[in-house]
Amino acid sequence: GAGVSQTPSNKVTEKGKYVELRCDPISGHTALYWYRQSLGQGPEFLIYFQGTGAADDSGLPNDRFFAVRPEGSVSTLKIQRTERGDSAVYLCASSFSQGDNEQYFGPGTRLTVT
Amino acid sequence: DQQVKQNSPSLSVQEGRISILNCDYTNSMFDYFLWYKKYPAEGPTFLISISSIKDKNEDGRFTVFLNKSAKHLSLHIVPSQPGDSAVYFCAAVRTYKYIFGTGTRLKVLA
Repeated sequence: GAGVSQTPSNKVTEKGKYVELRCDPISGHTALYWYRQSLGQGPEFLIYFQGTGAADDSGLPNDRFFAVRPEGSVSTLKIQRTERGDSAVYLCASSFSQGDNEQYFGPGTRLTVT
Repeated sequence: DQQVKQNSPSLSVQEGRISILNCDYTNSMFDYFLWYKKYPAEGPTFLISISSIKDKNEDGRFTVFLNKSAKHLSLHIVPSQPGDSAVYFCAAVRTYKYIFGTGTRLKVLA
């Protein structure tokens, strides 16, 4: 079956521009998570959705970052006025439910802000 | 304040021998712990988990040990195979939130 997919796989943008990163979770998974992985670091939690609602957005670094999941499936992470420090791999994961031990990760989107 | 630490950035092991990857944590309130494996250009894939009420969990060649008093867990891979070469992340979990370590790059030499 299909795993978590993320598009684009790579995104290069200029400082100050707006970007959208897309995540397609595994079908039937109600929980969806976004992480950011900087070079030499482990993934860092950004936001968690249960269904359509953002249950926890405490990991978003500032108000330039926003994520939506309007129909409880696909999610979009939106970054406004990008900065060079936003350059990282953005990972999406999904799980069957909140209590599920295992989160399934997508391959990530590598964002480079020049 | 790093709650989960993997102090060895890299490890090389001969094929057939045991690989031991270590992880330390600071918070006693974690519910369970996991190990993920990551190949280049791929997302992390789940390997094995352990509940905070257990001290050992085994799955084939992979065994995870948890020492709660020392706030330490380790992943043992035996025998190691070249296909095990990857970056390994430990993660500590409280409800749904994963806190990852910085990873250890394992290289298994043929």
